[in-house]
Amino acid sequence: SSELTQDPPVSVALGQTVTITCQGAVLKYFSASWFLQRPGQAPVLVLSPGNNRPSGIPDRFSGSDSGTTATLTITGARADDEGDYYCNSRDPSGSHPRWVFGGGTKLTVL
Amino acid sequence: QVQLVQSEAELKEPGASVRVSCKASGYTFTSNYDINWVRQATGQGLEWMGWMNPNTGNTGYADKFEGRVTLTRDTSLSTAYMELRNLKSDDTAVYYCARGRFDFWGQGTLVTVSS
Repeated sequence: SSELTQDPPVSVALGQTVTITCQGAVLKYFSASWFLQRPGQAPVLVLSPGNNRPSGIPDRFSGSDSGTTATLTITGARADDEGDYYCNSRDPSGSHPRWVFGGGTKLTVL
Repeated sequence: QVQLVQSEAELKEPGASVRVSCKASGYTFTSNYDINWVRQATGQGLEWMGWMNPNTGNTGYADKFEGRVTLTRDTSLSTAYMELRNLKSDDTAVYYCARGRFDFWGQGTLVTVSS
């Protein structure tokens, strides 16, 4: 099966900009989605392929894709952006559709 | 509004089976959205387990779980089920269901495997 690799823990000062990356061969074929998981809560979709934000997700969240790397950018970080960020993508290996998640990146807002 | 409501926490002994339910509301259960299952051990990342098409009942499983997990549904109840057999201690985790491309998630069900 395929793998997605994410950054080690990162921190950002309140109001500043931070980027989180996700790398994997599958990203040549399928764009990534991004999820935020706050402590003790279920993950929440913050960005789907094509840089699409679900209803209620602020426009300070944006994404980009380049080759085998997907990048999530948070512009003007707020305290409630703190948590674990996961990327995921379709995985073309195997005989049926499957998905793969990155290992997660913990974001601390200072 | 779309909601996925999962069953309560379970405590199981090693070797037993567990079935977790996921009741969907706020949309047509048999429309074009798969139900995916994802688990998360304490302090660990998200691990995709498999998908089910609620309309056809077709399923697909991650290699790691093939032969040990079964995904089913009851369309009359708009409910999806995940059964995991031959439980081991490292199956202790929170199990989530999620719709389609993971746009909505259940609240999670803690399954603890311990003797």
